[in-house]
Amino acid sequence: KAGVTQTPRYLIKTRGQQVTLSCSPISGHRSVSWYQQTPGQGLQFLFEYFSETQRNKGNFPGRFSGRQFSNSRSEMNVSTLELGDSALYLCASSLAPEQTANYGYTFGSGTRLTVV
Amino acid sequence: DAKTTQPNSMESNEEEPVHLPCNHSTISGTDYIHWYRQLPSQGPEYVIHGLTSNVNNRMASLAIAEDRKSSTLILHRATLRDAAVYYCILRDGGGSEKLVFGKGTKLTVNP
Repeated sequence: KAGVTQTPRYLIKTRGQQVTLSCSPISGHRSVSWYQQTPGQGLQFLFEYFSETQRNKGNFPGRFSGRQFSNSRSEMNVSTLELGDSALYLCASSLAPEQTANYGYTFGSGTRLTVV
Repeated sequence: DAKTTQPNSMESNEEEPVHLPCNHSTISGTDYIHWYRQLPSQGPEYVIHGLTSNVNNRMASLAIAEDRKSSTLILHRATLRDAAVYYCILRDGGGSEKLVFGKGTKLTVNP
C-alpha cells in the first residue's frame, strides 16, 4: 500500500515569501503530524491534526500554520519565510483511532525547503 | 516530557547482534517506550514500541528492564542497511501524540 506522500520533495524560496507543503497520509490514517528537522535543532514537533482538528502545537511562531482536510490530507504553511526556516519538513501519519501512544507513526520522506 | 539518554554513537560488524541501550530513569507508569530510526536522506522509520513486557517484531526486539528505567533495542543480525540514527522516545499513554526526539545513537555497521 502507498506510504505517506509529501510534495514537493524540494523547494527553493526567497526570504519573505510564503510556502505551502502538502502531505497525503496512508489510507485510513486520520492522525497527521508535522516535524521540522535542522542540523542544529534536530527533529522538532510542529503540530498534529486528527479529524480536521489541531490537537497539539509545538513551540513555533505563528508564521507556521497547518490544516487538515476531510480526506485526512494535510497542508502546512509558512509565511514570511526567514533564512532559518531552511529545513527538512516531515509529515507522519498514524492509524491511532484516538489520542494514544500505543501506535507507531509512519513518516514521509520529507520536503527539503531552502530559503535564500 | 520524560527524558531519555542514549550513547552518541555505536559501532557494529555486519551479521553480528547489536544492543542499543536507552536510559529513562524518570519514566512514568503510563509512558510507552518507542524506537525509531532514521536512515540517511530519509524520514524516521518506526521500529518497535512497548510498555512493560519485552516485544519482538520482524525488525528488532525490545528488552525492557523490570523497573522500566532502561531498555535495549536488539538487532539480531546487523546489516549495512541498519546503519542509521536510532531514537529512543517516551510517549505518555494518555496524553500528547507528539514524538520528542533527542539526538539518538548513530549506529555504524562495518562490512
